[in-house]
Amino acid sequence: DAGVIQSPRHEVTEMGQEVTLRCKPISGHDYLFWYRQTMMRGLELLIYFNNNVPIDDSGMPEDRFSAKMPNASFSTLKIQPSEPRDSAVYFCASSLMGAAKNIQYFGAGTRLSVL
Amino acid sequence: QKEVEQDPGPLSVPEGAIVSLNCTYSNSAFQYFMWYRQYSRKGPELLMYTYSSGNKEDGRFTAQVDKSSKYISLFIRDSQPSDSATYLCALAGGTSYGKLTFGQGTILTVHP
Repeated sequence: DAGVIQSPRHEVTEMGQEVTLRCKPISGHDYLFWYRQTMMRGLELLIYFNNNVPIDDSGMPEDRFSAKMPNASFSTLKIQPSEPRDSAVYFCASSLMGAAKNIQYFGAGTRLSVL
Repeated sequence: QKEVEQDPGPLSVPEGAIVSLNCTYSNSAFQYFMWYRQYSRKGPELLMYTYSSGNKEDGRFTAQVDKSSKYISLFIRDSQPSDSATYLCALAGGTSYGKLTFGQGTILTVHP
């Protein structure tokens, strides 16, 4: 399996622009997680899905952030409008319910810079 | 108070040293304990996975869990420059099914 695939790897945008991050989880996994990582705050869980349904979005910082999972093989995280403080590395991870249900597999991340 | 506390370091050791990395936690519902390793500009990857109290060894790595003290450790023996990375503890259990709670991460550098 190719693992969790995220795109783009790097995104540079200007304040006020819309940003869309994409994620393809590992085939067959039923949980999908979006995280944000910064030096100051570490790895923060933003939202997670189970079988394409959002379970907990309490980590989403503001209404400017939204996430969707239209099917089992694709998810997006959108920021509109973007702000400089959104600059961070965004990770997507997936996992499979079962004996190893808590093991999450991470993508390589999207490094976002908002100027 | 954070649910999981981890000293961010940075920690710098000479090659061959024994490294000890630690996390403390407050939620007694945690039952699954993991260590992830994250190389620079990469995503975290699972290094060790343990369930409940006790020790687990895998090559040069040993994970230790003390639930009575709410304390987990990762030991690296004969550390190598290739071990230089950020190490994150991750805990799961209780009602947050499938969700992991991560520590801040400890930055480790092993110099030749």
